[in-house]
This record gives sequence, C-alpha cells and structure tokens, in this order.
Amino acid sequence: DTGVSQDPRHKITKRGQNVTFRCDPISEHNRLYWYRQTLGQGPEFLTYFQNEAQLEKSRLLSDRFSAERPKGSFSTLEIQRTEQGDSAMYLCASSFSTDFTDTQYFGPGTRLTVL
Amino acid sequence: TQLLEQSPQFLSIQEGENLTVYCNSSSVFSSLQWYRQEPGEGPVLLVTVVTGGEVKKLKRLTFQFGDARKDSSLHITAAQPGDTGLYLCAGRGSTGNQFYFGTGTSLTVIP
Repeated sequence: DTGVSQDPRHKITKRGQNVTFRCDPISEHNRLYWYRQTLGQGPEFLTYFQNEAQLEKSRLLSDRFSAERPKGSFSTLEIQRTEQGDSAMYLCASSFSTDFTDTQYFGPGTRLTVL
Repeated sequence: TQLLEQSPQFLSIQEGENLTVYCNSSSVFSSLQWYRQEPGEGPVLLVTVVTGGEVKKLKRLTFQFGDARKDSSLHITAAQPGDTGLYLCAGRGSTGNQFYFGTGTSLTVIP
C-alpha cells in the first residue's frame, strides 16, 4: 500500500494559463475527494467521487474548475484561466465507502502558485 | 463555510506541558476525525470518533467526542517537540458525505 499520491507536488503558472493535477488513490478505495487549503486555514471541500460518478460539488467549484475520474481509479482536477486567488494547496483524499466512518486518507498535496 | 471552530488558533508551550485543543460546532456530526498536518504535507489521520461521549486514547493523546456529537477535544499530556504541527478536526455531516474541517490549531512545542 503506497498511500495516496499526487502529481505534481508544486506548480507555478502565470495568470490565465490552464493547469491539471492528478491524484492516485489507495487502490481499493472507491471514494475520492478534492479539497483546497489556503495558508492558515483548514481544507475546504471541493468535490467527491464514488467510483467514476461525481456525487457532490461545492459552491467553491466555479465553472473554471472541472474534475474527472474516468475509470473510477485516478482523478484529475483542471483549473482553466487561472487567477491569483487560485493559489493554494490542492489536496486529494480517498476512502472506502463500506467503512461506516468513511475515514479519509490524504495525499501530500499539490501546491499551486499563480503569478 | 467552515462549520467547525477550533481554539486556540495558536499555541506555543514548553516540552513536558499539557494542553487541550477544542473543536466546537452548532451542527451534529455522524463522526469526527482529528488530523495532524506538517508544513507542505497532507493531513495525517490521528483518530476517528463516532459515538457521543466516546473517549479514545492514543499514547499521550486523548480524544473526546461530545455527548451531543457537536464538539470534540484533544488533550496532549507531556507534550514533545515531535507533537509540533497543525491539528485539524473534521466532522462528517449527518447527511451526505461532505466533511467539514475546522480552522486548525497550530501547536509549537519548545524543547
């Protein structure tokens, strides 16, 4: 079990560019979550998948953000036309739905800086 | 919207001291988790509590879930420099699968 992995770990981009992040969950986990965390704050929920279905989306997820999990395994989060306010740590977590507590295990995150 | 408030927001103590971190809400949660996060890394799960009034111990850490499942506390005995980090509580809503994170408590233990 290698845990949740995220790629890249760091991304620096210019305002207006598109960026895409990848998350590979723990292999037997069927739920996958995306969060955004800014400095000094707790993570904020963005969206979650059960298998390949996107079941919940936060109001924080504007139309510039899109997430996919095409085969129910890895997921991608794309941000189009990035803005400086998008600078944050983007965290991915996975869990197993038959676990009553739905305990989430987090990846190391992708740090995005928009110049 | 953050539904969980943590206090204190910052805490700096000497090695060997005891401390308590609080996580409060007006909402009921079906379960609550505590995490510790180090700079530049994702949160690492410490414990999950489910039942109102539940107390769990993990070595020098004691976690309690409030009777009404609206609040929780984390008590650390004889803090060590390795306990330094950001402590986060996260509650699972009573409907749906969304988790709500607290504002975090940044702990520094001075050797």
